[in-house]
Amino acid sequence: AQSVTQLDSHVSVSEGTPVLLRCNYSSSYSPSLFWYVQHPNKGLQLLLKYTSAATLVKGINGFEAEFKKSETSFHLTKPSAHMSDAAEYFCVVSPDSGGYQKVTFGTGTKLQVIP
Amino acid sequence: EAGVAQSPRYKIIEKRQSVAFWCNPISGHATLYWYQQILGQGPKLLIQFQNNGVVDDSQLPKDRFSAERLKGVDSTLKIQPAKLEDSAVYLCASSLDPRAYNEQFFGPGTRLTVL
Repeated sequence: AQSVTQLDSHVSVSEGTPVLLRCNYSSSYSPSLFWYVQHPNKGLQLLLKYTSAATLVKGINGFEAEFKKSETSFHLTKPSAHMSDAAEYFCVVSPDSGGYQKVTFGTGTKLQVIP
Repeated sequence: EAGVAQSPRYKIIEKRQSVAFWCNPISGHATLYWYQQILGQGPKLLIQFQNNGVVDDSQLPKDRFSAERLKGVDSTLKIQPAKLEDSAVYLCASSLDPRAYNEQFFGPGTRLTVL
């Protein structure tokens, strides 16, 4: 069984300040972990993914995430928020059971960027 | 490279009517997914196809929902009869194959409103 908990449903930051979106997961198998972003009226887009290589993963638009097995966390960060970062962000877990991919989405974190 | 195509983008129907959604995945992608995203929630997997076979439909309400991918390319999802609680965005996604670490590519979604 697997699950994902996004600890904040809404996060508000000022433009130019750091962003932290928190995600904790549970998985019976070694997981692949993803962050997707969803802008209003647009499809989900992959920001970055962890697949058992480097624990610090860099993605698009200056985002990065660190896989911490001991804390079962995969928090998303960005040093300086931009207005265009305002969107909803989803953390996703995909356990590698050797069978078909079975993803579980978190409930999402809506990021507001204040000018 | 063309993305995942979905139609229609919006649909309004009355309860007890039927509705169908269409999805054309990225060329060469063997795995196709249908998700339901209710407002304020993360996407929930309804059904997953590998080529033209179903590999996971455990969360599909089979008394009213059906889906097919006859030639292993495009797919249709049908609801008959619709209920008020079916109001949601229906997302189609595809991936190269079903391994855990593969990125899913999402279409823009179909927003369904049931009155």
